[in-house]
Amino acid sequence: GAGVSQSPSNKVTEKGKDVELRCDPISGHTALYWYRQSLGQGLEFLIYFQGNSAPDKSGLPSDRFSAERTGGSVSTLTIQRTQQEDSAVYLCASSPGRGEKLFFGSGTQLSVL
Amino acid sequence: TQLLEQSPQFLSIQEGENLTVYCNSSSVFSSLQWYRQEPGEGPVLLVTVVTGGEVKKLKRLTFQFGDARKDSSLHITAAQPGDTGLYLCAGDDFGNEKLTFGTGTRLTIIP
Repeated sequence: GAGVSQSPSNKVTEKGKDVELRCDPISGHTALYWYRQSLGQGLEFLIYFQGNSAPDKSGLPSDRFSAERTGGSVSTLTIQRTQQEDSAVYLCASSPGRGEKLFFGSGTQLSVL
Repeated sequence: TQLLEQSPQFLSIQEGENLTVYCNSSSVFSSLQWYRQEPGEGPVLLVTVVTGGEVKKLKRLTFQFGDARKDSSLHITAAQPGDTGLYLCAGDDFGNEKLTFGTGTRLTIIP
């Protein structure tokens, strides 16, 4: 596709349920990032994938959060046992390589009731 | 933990006025980026400044990187309604690949 695609665009779930958020990066981009944005504020780094290297998971807020990237392309962010404080917009970005421009998707708005 | 503070947090001005948004930190960054984000969309990169003291112009937008590479400003001349959005600065910590984003400035231009 022409840009970074994220699905679903909106997700409403009940507290305690697990959710999976998907990101399709731009074809050929080796770097992929997940960020979280609360209430129209700044972005909080979650995790970074670069090629076949081990991901940088230093931003994941708890062990309920995990992410994987299959085949160097599609990525899934999983949140287990969701809590109300997990409600936010989850943004995915990809870039052609290290230190290059980031292209963001439109995000997934997650609401935990 | 590196922090980037933006000011003001909210700004609402009339079309045609000038404005400046600030991005400040106590940390040094190798480069600093400015993004604009519209509702329901992801941030879009406007500019990257790399050299201390650097000034870049993008039409009516002027970006400056502080001499010490700890702060930056965005000046908009003759603001237009299309400038409305959330402006975010983001610092690159010498290539560690984790951009640190600022707190954001929500700008509204009133026609």
